[in-house]
Amino acid sequence: KAGVTQTPRYLIKTRGQQVTLSCSPISGHRSVSWYQQTPGQGLQFLFEYFSETQRNKGNFPGRFSGRQFSNSRSEMNVSTLELGDSALYLCASSRGLAGALEQYFGPGTRLTVT
Amino acid sequence: QKEVEQNSGPLSVPEGAIASLNCTYSDRGSQSFFWYRQYSGKSPELIMFIYSNGDKEDGRFTAQLNKASQYVSLLIRDSQPSDSATYLCAVKPGYALNFGKGTSLLVTP
Repeated sequence: KAGVTQTPRYLIKTRGQQVTLSCSPISGHRSVSWYQQTPGQGLQFLFEYFSETQRNKGNFPGRFSGRQFSNSRSEMNVSTLELGDSALYLCASSRGLAGALEQYFGPGTRLTVT
Repeated sequence: QKEVEQNSGPLSVPEGAIASLNCTYSDRGSQSFFWYRQYSGKSPELIMFIYSNGDKEDGRFTAQLNKASQYVSLLIRDSQPSDSATYLCAVKPGYALNFGKGTSLLVTP
């Protein structure tokens, strides 16, 4: 069974631009969660989508948004990029809502903001 | 802020030894506990999960959970150089995984 896929794998943007990242979950998985990983803060939860609805949200500013499509694929958008947004962005999928189930991570998108 | 604490290491063990990785958490309501392995430059890989007090074994890996002490550990038997990685403890008090900063494990030949 194919794993979680993320595109693009690497991205370089300048401050003020916006970026869209994509995630395709494992077949049959309906929940997609997004995380940001930085050396200083570690892995932090951004938000979770299930059945095209945002179910939960972490403590990030409104510049971070996302959506989920009917095929469970998800996109994450970051507007007005800041240098501090440079990070590895990971998505993880699970069969149902992530509250009680195992999550499996994709390879990540490494975003560099200059 | 619900905390998940891990010793950052590095923890160095010789090949063939048992590596013991520890994690404490602050939210007593946590019900699900996970260990992820992350190689440098790669994404986290789920290696163990445990929901009940006690031990859970899977191959060379054993996860141990003590909810009363708010403590979860991972034992790796017969450690191999390929086990050298950062091990992330994750706790799920609600809907999202709350990660520790990870313990770096180095297995020396």
